[in-house]
Amino acid sequence: GAVVSQHPSRVICKSGTSVKIECRSLDFQATTMFWYRQFPKQSLMLMATSNEGSKATYEQGVEKDKFLINHASLTLSTLTVTSAHPEDSSFYICSARSAEAGGNNEQFFGPGTRLTVL
Amino acid sequence: GNSVTQMEGPVTLSEEAFLTINCTYTATGYPSLFWYVQYPGEGLQLLLKATKADDKGSNKGFEATYRKETTSFHLEKGSVQVSDSAVYFCALRGVMTGGFKTIFGAGTRLFVKA
Repeated sequence: GAVVSQHPSRVICKSGTSVKIECRSLDFQATTMFWYRQFPKQSLMLMATSNEGSKATYEQGVEKDKFLINHASLTLSTLTVTSAHPEDSSFYICSARSAEAGGNNEQFFGPGTRLTVL
Repeated sequence: GNSVTQMEGPVTLSEEAFLTINCTYTATGYPSLFWYVQYPGEGLQLLLKATKADDKGSNKGFEATYRKETTSFHLEKGSVQVSDSAVYFCALRGVMTGGFKTIFGAGTRLFVKA
């Protein structure tokens, strides 16, 4: 089946630094990738939708200058948390939608990246 | 708007017990419905899905039927195992969610005791 990877799986950083998280579709091309945030024992909250080659669409309440998303190719999207603070500590999960014609609307989720900001 | 409501957890069962996790949805149009499972410290895995009314999704002994008349997609398993302990998310997706965004329920944590 289709595989989505994320790197790194865990990251610990100091407050004020920036952290980049990569999301890759390993065996398919993804026209659209989604970034979610999950707080402990809570559901996934969609942060933004990114389409290859265009600007990301952010959900209401998500700071686009804080969470920079780049979808430079059909297999890679990156999320950069700029000037991270302890409240940005969370589990970040990406998902990717196949670009195949007639695709069955399936999305594939990455394993997640746990960010801890000290 | 579009939303998913699922029963609050945690749900604690003994091994081999019957499991039901209720899920109801609100949506315009005809969404696809999904159950995802998240094991501790991991991302989401698709457990099963149904794309139209009366479809039954099934996988690993779990099953759920898309009930349009009751707008429900309850998850069931006849005999749970300790390895089924995880968080289960009901979700919907479709054109009505705008660009195929997934709307998740709050999640239900399942503990299965040996």
